[in-house]
Amino acid sequence: DAKTTQPNSMESNEEEPVHLPCNHSTISGTDYIHWYRQLPSQGPEYVIHGLTSNVNNRMASLAIAEDRKSSTLILHRATLRDAAVYYCILRVNTGNQFYFGTGTSLTVIP
Amino acid sequence: GAGVSQSPRYKVTKRGQDVALRCDPISGHVSLYWYRQALGQGPEFLTYFNYEAQQDKSGLPNDRFSAERPEGSISTLTIQRTEQRDSAMYRCASSLRLAGAAQETQYFGPGTRLLVL
Repeated sequence: DAKTTQPNSMESNEEEPVHLPCNHSTISGTDYIHWYRQLPSQGPEYVIHGLTSNVNNRMASLAIAEDRKSSTLILHRATLRDAAVYYCILRVNTGNQFYFGTGTSLTVIP
Repeated sequence: GAGVSQSPRYKVTKRGQDVALRCDPISGHVSLYWYRQALGQGPEFLTYFNYEAQQDKSGLPNDRFSAERPEGSISTLTIQRTEQRDSAMYRCASSLRLAGAAQETQYFGPGTRLLVL
């Protein structure tokens, strides 16, 4: 049973903003939304996480819908180094497990 | 500082052999996770430890898979009587905070690519 749903792939032009969507309609009230990304031939790396409020850090912003059934990862200015697979993950509070899914493969066009 | 390290980076073995995969977490990290990643897929949870205690092993595919972390630091994932379907990238991650903590962030190692012939 899929915990999150993401588009398989997206493209963005360099230096433009990118909005990566994620649906998590089965989310419960205490589940955290995490985003990780995986560059080619590397392990996943943390990007951002949140519970209810929108979050910002130096890498990205996370916008969470009011009903929490969806969220959007925002890269404000895509660079070639941002080309990666982006995973939207629910950390289920009752189990401490991370369900990665298949992610969105982001291509950045110079 | 040093990140999560795993060894070996590559392992080729024959079907039926046992393999042991090692994970060295970041110093001081209390939680340690094991994942398996097939090509083109996201990491799949296998098991995790808080300190030396194995908290959840529900993701281990069958009883040929086992993991230990006897002193709360280095961990070993062992696969007995390997089969071709065990071929995958095995990744380890560690976290400074206890698994389940609100600010938990996992740091991943480079992985061990296992090929069972």
